[in-house]
Amino acid sequence: SQQGEEDPQALSIQEGENATMNCSYKTSINNLQWYRQNSGRGLVHLILIRSNEREKHSGRLRVTLDTSKKSSSLLITASRAADTASYFCATGGGFKTIFGAGTRLFVKA
Amino acid sequence: EAGVAQSPRYKIIEKRQSVAFWCNPISGHATLYWYQQILGQGPKLLIQFQNNGVVDDSQLPKDRFSAERLKGVDSTLKIQPAKLEDSAVYLCASSLVPRGSTDTQYFGPGTRLTVL
Repeated sequence: SQQGEEDPQALSIQEGENATMNCSYKTSINNLQWYRQNSGRGLVHLILIRSNEREKHSGRLRVTLDTSKKSSSLLITASRAADTASYFCATGGGFKTIFGAGTRLFVKA
Repeated sequence: EAGVAQSPRYKIIEKRQSVAFWCNPISGHATLYWYQQILGQGPKLLIQFQNNGVVDDSQLPKDRFSAERLKGVDSTLKIQPAKLEDSAVYLCASSLVPRGSTDTQYFGPGTRLTVL
């Protein structure tokens, strides 16, 4: 079974707007990662946040983690058409990394 | 640095036939993963190798799926016999070392399997 659940399932925005995706999980974790998948391709690692971190930035990406609520959010600022992709959260605990079902983001030019 | 290589990229077979996928991880990566991704879903781990040993194969349907990683480098995943529900993209990934599960995974382009 998949632990992470992304919300929303799909998101459509205009270029230049911000996109926020959320991930909820059920059990304790060591870390949480976000990956991007362009249509027909493999996944690309975006960012990793450890369980003792609350926020992390990488370029136009901002990730938050709230372990008390078992949730994380990914914010993409000033979105571009090239950001159109599926975004997955992956929770890590022990040797296992479990992926959620993903949020499909469509950025209109 | 070369990425994770997979072949073939596409495969179409009839049900009950067998099929094999090949993966060459990034050089020096000790851990190799095979995932199954059904359309509209996230990747599901089938099997994880560390060098040539199996770390986790709890979700591998062992009656029909098998995988091996000889010499701790390349890996093959086989399905025999295939069922309609095996239609999916099969992703191979590798990571440098299995520091718990904190290590970044690098994915190949995947093999899209269609079972008719």
